[in-house]
Amino acid sequence: QQQVKQSPQSLIVQKGGIPIINCAYENTAFDYFPWYQQFPGKGPALLIAIRPDVSEKKEGRFTISFNKSAKQFSLHIMDSQPGDSATYFCAPYNTDKLIFGTGTRLQVFP
Amino acid sequence: GAGVSQSPRYKVAKRGQDVALRCDPISGHVSLFWYQQALGQGPEFLTYFQNEAQLDKSGLPSDRFFAERPEGSVSTLKIQRTQQEDSAVYLCASSIGGLAMNFGPGTRLTVT
Repeated sequence: QQQVKQSPQSLIVQKGGIPIINCAYENTAFDYFPWYQQFPGKGPALLIAIRPDVSEKKEGRFTISFNKSAKQFSLHIMDSQPGDSATYFCAPYNTDKLIFGTGTRLQVFP
Repeated sequence: GAGVSQSPRYKVAKRGQDVALRCDPISGHVSLFWYQQALGQGPEFLTYFQNEAQLDKSGLPSDRFFAERPEGSVSTLKIQRTQQEDSAVYLCASSIGGLAMNFGPGTRLTVT
């Protein structure tokens, strides 16, 4: 986990806001960059992922921005909803394992 | 069901007891992974199987931890002589061979 630094630790936004969660990594061997969403009492669920040959990917209200030279990638949630309240993890992949960040707890208030 | 299932969902063990945690992956999924998630932390990799072969066990924290998948489907994570620091949620994930892992709900282990 020391290879992956995630920020902020927690985030509070109002409905409709655009929370941004950042992830910085050290290992240049990572070749797949997913974000996972986890609700209390549940396992993580894949939200969106990007390959390093692409700088941005959008799926619905979720966008990943990827900066290979800076070794950073971020998650943007457009038009956030109370149902998006969860913990989000970046988890870059290398060889056969995901390396999870420490998580960002997002709360979206109505 | 269509997802990964794990049992038991909750397990309380006294220090020194042995425990066995079960994972039923999605049918047909070749790859199976175990992760350990401490309270308030991100999951940490324990071990990886491709069919019945354990290809990576670099994340197992000690020789008290043992995982098997004898027929390439169901997997069991066994922890011998449990210690308090073993208290965590143990997550199982499976994939068809690609990168999109499907996680189960986890087993919450509490060692008293």
